[in-house]
Order: sequence, then structure tokens, then C-alpha cells
Amino acid sequence: ETGVTQSPTHLIKTRGQQVTLRCSSQSGHNTVSWYQQALGQGPQFIFQYYREEENGRGNFPPRFSGLQFPNYSSELNVNALELDDSALYLCASSPGTVNSPLHFGNGTRLTVT
Amino acid sequence: GQSLEQPSEVTAVEGAIVQINCTYQTSGFYGLSWYQQHDGGAPTFLSYNALDGLEETGRFSSFLSRSDSYGYLLLQELQMKDSASYFCAVRVQTGANNLFFGTGTRLTVIP
Repeated sequence: ETGVTQSPTHLIKTRGQQVTLRCSSQSGHNTVSWYQQALGQGPQFIFQYYREEENGRGNFPPRFSGLQFPNYSSELNVNALELDDSALYLCASSPGTVNSPLHFGNGTRLTVT
Repeated sequence: GQSLEQPSEVTAVEGAIVQINCTYQTSGFYGLSWYQQHDGGAPTFLSYNALDGLEETGRFSSFLSRSDSYGYLLLQELQMKDSASYFCAVRVQTGANNLFFGTGTRLTVIP
């Protein structure tokens, strides 16, 4: 059973640029969530995708957008990067049931300079 | 607003028992979860309480009191590998598996 994989592991971008982060969900999981974790903080929910549709969103501006593909992999896109976007971005997959545990990937460390 | 409060740091001796408390104030409540995260690693699921009471999984137990908006994680027979950050998290939205996480408790296990 393959776990959640994310790419790239590290990324450095300049303020104002755009970035795309990728996530492959665990086999058999059709729900993907994205979280932002600043240093020393807990993960913050960005949004969730279920069967290619967004079905929940946290308090993040529209420049954070996402996609889920038919194979349940997912992308997180961030436009007009700001310095405060520097964080660890975590992808988590789960089966469709809402009470199921989240299976996290190791994340992408994004640094915005 | 929404808030989850848990101690920022706890130190305990190997072999001992430690309890990490979590109090919450959220707009919705659909269950309390606990996750463990080692430095540089991914959060991993430990336990979930939807109803009041104690859930036990091996050395770890978790408790919930919805009337007190309070829960705790109990770790028994502490091992050095238990040194990590522990997060409580509340599911705040029905129909979606999104979680509101606390700021985490850093547990250090000493010999």
C-alpha cells in the first residue's frame, strides 16, 4: 500500500510568483485535504476535495486554489506569493467517510523570499 | 472565533505516564482527534473521540467530555521515541473531514 506522496519536498520562490504543489493520495482514498503549517504552529485547513469537487474551505484567500484529478491526486496552486506564505504545506488523504483518520504526506517546505 | 488550548511543552521521564489536556471553543463540534508529529515528519493519527468517554489504543488513551469542551491524551509507559509534538484537533464542519488543529504540545521524554 503506497502512502501519501508530495512533490517537491522543498521549494524557494520569490514574492509575487506562482507555485504548484502536487500530491498523490493513498491507494483507495478519494478525499484529499490541504493544510498549511507555519513553524511552531498546528496545521491550518486550506480546503478539501472529494471526487474532484471542493467540499470545504478554510479561511484562505482565493489566490489559494486547487484541483483533484480522476485518479484522486491533487494540486495546490498559490498565486501572487507573499512572504507569509512561507510554510510547510501538507496534503492528507482519507476514504470518503467523514470520520476517518487523515493520512498525511511529509509535506512541501515552501520558502518565499 | 475558534480556539483550542493545550500546553506548549511537557517533559516526562521514560516509563512514566503523561497527560496532555486540550480545551476547545469552536463554532461546530463533530469529534476530537489527536495527532503525533515528529520533527521533520508528517502528522500521524493517534485517536478519535466522537462521544464522551475513554478510548484506548495500546499505550495511548484519549478522553472526551463534550459538556466541559475538554479532552486529554494519556500516554503510558513512555518511551524515548514518544518525544514529539502532539496536536488535538476538532472537526468543525459536518459533511467534510476538515480539522481545526491546536498549536501543539511538545513532549520531551528524558531517561
